[in-house]
Amino acid sequence: GENVEQHPSTLSVQEGDSAVIKCTYSDSASNYFPWYKQELGKRPQLIIDIRSNVGEKKDQRIAVTLNKTAKHFSLHITETQPEDSAVYFCAAPRPGDTGRRALTFGSGTRLQVQP
Amino acid sequence: DAGVTQSPTHLIKTRGQQVTLRCSPKSGHDTVSWYQQALGQGPQFIFQYYEEEERQRGNFPDRFSGHQFPNYSSELNVNALLLGDSALYLCASSLVFRVPSYNEQFFGPGTRLTVL
Repeated sequence: GENVEQHPSTLSVQEGDSAVIKCTYSDSASNYFPWYKQELGKRPQLIIDIRSNVGEKKDQRIAVTLNKTAKHFSLHITETQPEDSAVYFCAAPRPGDTGRRALTFGSGTRLQVQP
Repeated sequence: DAGVTQSPTHLIKTRGQQVTLRCSPKSGHDTVSWYQQALGQGPQFIFQYYEEEERQRGNFPDRFSGHQFPNYSSELNVNALLLGDSALYLCASSLVFRVPSYNEQFFGPGTRLTVL
């Protein structure tokens, strides 16, 4: 099955700095890569996703890059703010997923933004 | 527009008991997936339902079963509970658009299950 590895497990940055979280996947047929943010005690929320027909996607301070050859994708957060502190998860479709979003998740990155 | 809802919010059971968790998908969504999230870990895929059938299943024993109703809502049943079943159980819904496939998955707030 699909294997998604995520690192680092924890990341501490100063407010205003950038944060980068990286994930690798194993299934070369994977074509959809979402990132979820989970605050303490709350549900995961989709913050950005990318499809395999593009290499980069931006949404204000958040961007995701995809390298299909190397089978890795990264989340970039610029000008970090204390409210960015949360656990971030990357994900990729399970083998055989027909677009209905059965996902394999990474193990998560706990981001702490120090004021 | 209601999002994904789950009930109950919290549940405490003892080993060997059975539990049923419920999920109502986001309005207009026809697919429900269930995930188990242990403390400090990422969500683990349990199974997915659409058209009232289980379509995909993760690496979970058959103590975990489910059902989807004609209104697309779903139940997750766990029999013979073990201590290790203690976790947050998340329901997520999605809908396939044929072209283009901008089908996001939305999570419910989860049910926190504690097995004593």
